[in-house]
Order: sequence, then structure tokens, then C-alpha cells
Amino acid sequence: AQTVTQSQPEMSVQEAETVTLSCTYDTSESNYYLFWYKQPPSRQMILVIRQEAYKQQNATENRFSVNFQKAAKSFSLKISDSQLGDTAMYFCAFMKHAGAQKLVFGQGTRLTINP
Amino acid sequence: DVKVTQSSRYLVKRTGEKVFLECVQDMDHENMFWYRQDPGLGLRLIYFSYDVKMKEKGDIPEGYSVSREKKERFSLILESASTNQTSMYLCASSQTNGGSEGGALNEKLFFGSGTQLSVL
Repeated sequence: AQTVTQSQPEMSVQEAETVTLSCTYDTSESNYYLFWYKQPPSRQMILVIRQEAYKQQNATENRFSVNFQKAAKSFSLKISDSQLGDTAMYFCAFMKHAGAQKLVFGQGTRLTINP
Repeated sequence: DVKVTQSSRYLVKRTGEKVFLECVQDMDHENMFWYRQDPGLGLRLIYFSYDVKMKEKGDIPEGYSVSREKKERFSLILESASTNQTSMYLCASSQTNGGSEGGALNEKLFFGSGTQLSVL
């Protein structure tokens, strides 16, 4: 079975700073997807970024980038130039490449961006 | 625009009541999922369905059942609600293969806005 661990329950930074959220996972699969989801107070889950395990290049989406270390089973999210609208719960998630598209989530990190 | 709609945003029920949580998607997706979200535990999969009348247990199915009579609708049923089922419930859907964006849609889940259920 796969597990995903987010060891930072809460984080807080000042606007415009850079923040890194940590995620580790455990799996015996060789091919899989990793995701970061954002859940603002509206509760709507928003896909922030995804990484395919067979791709060595780290994914980037505007101010969001990941540091994917496959051997270490680590998948951290870096938010550059943080904005007030980045305040949300962030979930790291894992999905096997084959079979049912079940997401396995971490515990979540509550990120607060202060003005 | 893609839409997953959960019938209630907030729901308050009494212990022992039978509770129905409804989820409807308008994207003709094959797969639908029910998760519950609890502080410090993240989201955990209760049940999922990959076709009409098909269902499979997730990681925490105890105390729940599901129904999928039509492709667009996936219902979560609490046969006899208990206080430990007080939680946020999230529905999601996804397409199995292909789609208008080809393989890009295969692993993408679309979520509803959640139902906060309180069992008193």
C-alpha cells in the first residue's frame, strides 16, 4: 500500500517570500503520478501541479515548482513570490499509473500568507 | 466548464438516521469517488465506482454504502449515522481514458465543493 506523509501541519510566511512544503511517500511502484492540490476556504480542490515519475525534469507552473527526488521518495512544493491568495490547505497526493485512478493523500499543510 | 455538484454544503443529522449524500457530474465521466476529509488525516477514500452499478471499497468503507444507478450520479449512504461520521465529504469524478485532451485527462480528478456533515 502507498502512504503519503506531510510533516508540516502549519506554515506561515510573509507576502512575497518563498516557501517550501514537504512531502514524502512510500511505494513499490515504479511508475506513478504525484500531485499538489490546493484547498482554499471555498473548499474547492484545485490542482496546482503534477509530476509523472518517469520524467526526471521537475514540473513548473508559473510561481509553483516541485523538487522531485525519486530515489529519496520526496516531492516538495516551492511557491515563489507568495501572494495572499495562496493562503490555503495544501495536499500532496499519489496515484498509481495503472489501474483505478485512486488518489492517496497526505495529511495536509495549512499555509498562511501574511500581509 | 467541468462541474461536480454536491447537493448540500452543510448537513446536520441525528445519530441513527439514514443519510444520503448526493453527487452529480456533468462530464460523462466513468469514474466517481467519495472521500472524507478530517483534520490531521487528510482525505481518505471511502468508495469508488468505475461504471454504472459497479462499486469498489476504498480504504475506510465501514459504516458506508454507495449507489450508482446512473452514470452521472453517485450517492453515499450512511445507513445509521454515528457521531464519528461527522466529517467533510468530498466527491470527485474522472475519465478513464482519452478524452478531448488525450492522455492528459487520464489522471485528473475533478472535485465537488464538499458537504460538511455533523451528526449529533
